[in-house]
Amino acid sequence: EAGVVQSPRYKIIEKKQPVAFWCNPISGHNTLYWYLQNLGQGPELLIRYENEEAVDDSQLPKDRFSAERLKGVDSTLKIQPAELGDSAVYLCASSLTATDGELFFGEGSRLTVL
Amino acid sequence: AQTVTQSQPEMSVQEAETVTLSCTYDTSESNYYLFWYKQPPSRQMILVIRQEAYKQQNATENRFSVNFQKAAKSFSLKISDSQLGDTAMYFCASRGWDSNYQLIWGAGTKLIIKP
Repeated sequence: EAGVVQSPRYKIIEKKQPVAFWCNPISGHNTLYWYLQNLGQGPELLIRYENEEAVDDSQLPKDRFSAERLKGVDSTLKIQPAELGDSAVYLCASSLTATDGELFFGEGSRLTVL
Repeated sequence: AQTVTQSQPEMSVQEAETVTLSCTYDTSESNYYLFWYKQPPSRQMILVIRQEAYKQQNATENRFSVNFQKAAKSFSLKISDSQLGDTAMYFCASRGWDSNYQLIWGAGTKLIIKP
């Protein structure tokens, strides 16, 4: 069974440029999460989807970040424009349901903003 | 608000030794889960072990076991017969039923297993 797939693995951009990350969750998983992880720290939730509905986006900086999960399957996280402080690893995870305690993570997308 | 604290930023032990990683948490919820996740260098995070708060028996998964002290709000992870592949960041996390199922993460402990 395929795991959570993320792309790109690495991205280097100049500040003020846009960037997008893609995530394909495990088949059948209704809940999808986007996390931000800074070096040496735990993940911070950006947004959680139940199917195609964003049910928790309180930590998403909506002035520059946006996300979508069309058809309740794969998802895209966009940053426009990127700032130096956005350099981090962006993790996507999925779980069967919101109540399921086990999250399955992708390998992450490492963003470097110059 | 829920919090999770991991007081050991980094630990190192010799291969085959036993190591215990500490975690304390604070929650006002009566029903919750606790987790240990492992993140190897440049690889994805995976679940190591989980504990339902209503269960008194400590969870075990092969060489991994927890010491769950509910009254003290402590949830430590013991790794027996440590292996080189155990080298990773270990994150403790909690998840309550009344907090929109949000996972609260600790800052992590970097564990290095030396040959």
